[in-house]
Amino acid sequence: EADIYQTPRYLVIGTGKKITLECSQTMGHDKMYWYQQDPGMELHLIHYSYGVNSTEKGDLSSESTVSRIRTEHFPLTLESARPSHTSQYLCASSEFAYYEQYFGPGTRLTVT
Amino acid sequence: GNSVTQMEGPVTLSEEAFLTINCTYTATGYPSLFWYVQYPGEGLQLLLKATKADDKGSNKGFEATYRKETTSFHLEKGSVQVSDSAVYFCALSDNTDKLIFGTGTRLQVFP
Repeated sequence: EADIYQTPRYLVIGTGKKITLECSQTMGHDKMYWYQQDPGMELHLIHYSYGVNSTEKGDLSSESTVSRIRTEHFPLTLESARPSHTSQYLCASSEFAYYEQYFGPGTRLTVT
Repeated sequence: GNSVTQMEGPVTLSEEAFLTINCTYTATGYPSLFWYVQYPGEGLQLLLKATKADDKGSNKGFEATYRKETTSFHLEKGSVQVSDSAVYFCALSDNTDKLIFGTGTRLQVFP
């Protein structure tokens, strides 16, 4: 079944640790996105990609980085986690010629 | 710039009541419009969409009509269920590769 996956679903980690949030999709979509969702529900685009070897910064400045080495995989990395990084992170993908995005279940990150 | 404005929540209804969640937009050109739903602890799911003026998107009893004259895309359902309790997001694409989301409206349905 074509889908979009995120792991882990929940992560509690201490300050200063390096973390990678995984996102994979089996839909063959070219475009992929990372959003940060604050407790007030608002969504902020932090990174996106048009395809392999393409990465762009989103509308909200973020200390995280992303890579796109394979079409289906779009991991997000924080080199040194801080409590201000505590949030829900949502990954999404979209077909090249279309605008609707399909979302993964999210990763809830807590940095203590 | 382009933007989406949604009514603030929470919207609290009894089961079988009629639902309207208002959404208006500001955009140049002819955007595509979407409603997404987010159930507790999950990601967003595409609920319905409309790509041109006067289009009606519908799914699972929900519907919304793309009204260019009033720049609106209000979400409606004739009879809500407890299982419809969720956060609803209106969004637009101005035919770039990004979606612009509203701030979300929480719906609570009580038996």
